[in-house]
Amino acid sequence: GEDVEQSLFLSVREGDSSVINCTYTDSSSTYLYWYKQEPGAGLQLLTYIFSNMDMKQDQRLTVLLNKKDKHLSLRIADTQTGDSAIYFCALGGGSSYKLIFGSGTRLLVRP
Amino acid sequence: DTAVSQTPKYLVTQMGNDKSIKCEQNLGHDTMYWYKQDSKKFLKIMFSYNNKELIINETVPNRFSPKSPDKAHLNLHINSLELGDSAVYFCASSRTGGSDNEQFFGPGTRLTVL
Repeated sequence: GEDVEQSLFLSVREGDSSVINCTYTDSSSTYLYWYKQEPGAGLQLLTYIFSNMDMKQDQRLTVLLNKKDKHLSLRIADTQTGDSAIYFCALGGGSSYKLIFGSGTRLLVRP
Repeated sequence: DTAVSQTPKYLVTQMGNDKSIKCEQNLGHDTMYWYKQDSKKFLKIMFSYNNKELIINETVPNRFSPKSPDKAHLNLHINSLELGDSAVYFCASSRTGGSDNEQFFGPGTRLTVL
């Protein structure tokens, strides 16, 4: 079955860049997503990338996709305390209705 | 103007009881989902309905029964609740399945079984 892994925890100082990593085993996914979950809230879609792209930039967010290594990353520039949350990568697309989520990375931004 | 709403937000109940969680979306989406998030924040899909038809049914005990009276609603009924059912249950919807699969999530229902 599909396996999507993330590191559990990341701590950065306010103003620094954050890089959250995700590795996966199933290469058939056509869309790769990043979701953000703030405490006590549901998941919010941040950005996504098509599997035929290597990079996507959206304001402070940069997504990098290395298909050969099956590695996805999310870079947050100028990280703010409001960015503190859990970040999930998710794989989906093709003929499947399912999203397969990673285990989530808890980002803590220190003032 | 809530997009995906769930009721109740919190649910505390005794083992062995039967309970229901309701979900409604006003986005005009065709597909709705139920996810379970455990205490370690691991998120796993349980069910999905497309146009009131069940399309995903993961390995979930028979005690869990989804019901979709119409495209905008997907309810989850749980019989004979067990301690291990304690989790946060998220409803989600998407315009359709397949490649364009941006899912919009509800705020979650925190179920605690005592």
